[in-house]
Amino acid sequence: DAGVTQSPTHLIKTRGQQVTLRCSPISGHKSVSWYQQVLGQGPQFIFQYYEKEERGRGNFPDRFSARQFPNYSSELNVNALLLGDSALYLCASSLKSGGTRGETQYFGPGTRLLVL
Amino acid sequence: AQSVTQLGSHVSVSEGALVLLRCNYSSSVPPYLFWYVQYPNQGLQLLLKYTTGATLVKGINGFEAEFKKSETSFHLTKPSAHMSDAAEYFCAVSVGGFKTIFGAGTRLFVKA
Repeated sequence: DAGVTQSPTHLIKTRGQQVTLRCSPISGHKSVSWYQQVLGQGPQFIFQYYEKEERGRGNFPDRFSARQFPNYSSELNVNALLLGDSALYLCASSLKSGGTRGETQYFGPGTRLLVL
Repeated sequence: AQSVTQLGSHVSVSEGALVLLRCNYSSSVPPYLFWYVQYPNQGLQLLLKYTTGATLVKGINGFEAEFKKSETSFHLTKPSAHMSDAAEYFCAVSVGGFKTIFGAGTRLFVKA
């Protein structure tokens, strides 16, 4: 079975622009979480969606938004990009709501975003 | 609040030597604990996890970790390092619900 896929793999944007990142979970997984990993740091939780509803949000500004589609794929949108948004954006999928009872999350390879 | 502290941003061992990566957590409720590995330009791969039950958890690639509640620790070990173990390792905690908190990571170097 295919793992978690993300697109694009790399992206270069300029300050003020908007970006959309995409994620397809493992088949049968209904939960998708998004993480931001700044160089040299651990992943920081952004959002979790389960059954197309937002189940959790991390400490990120409203410029960050996401949604989940009926096929459980997900998009992460970031508006008004700042230099500090440059990072690896990771998507993770799990069968159920990630974290519940130690649910295992499976990570995609990430999208590397560079904001100039 | 829950948190994870990984002691040592870099660890260097010789091939064949013991690998010990330290992780301490803070949680007001019984935690679920994870170790992930990240190779360059790749996503995270689960090595092992602790939820309930046996406190010594065995994972992939010969790694294991022991949950010690009294010490709030979940250190990762491997008896004999291999060159292919060189990577970034992340300890993480989940206290239920939707959020997983990651440590800052420890980069493991393996010398020939």
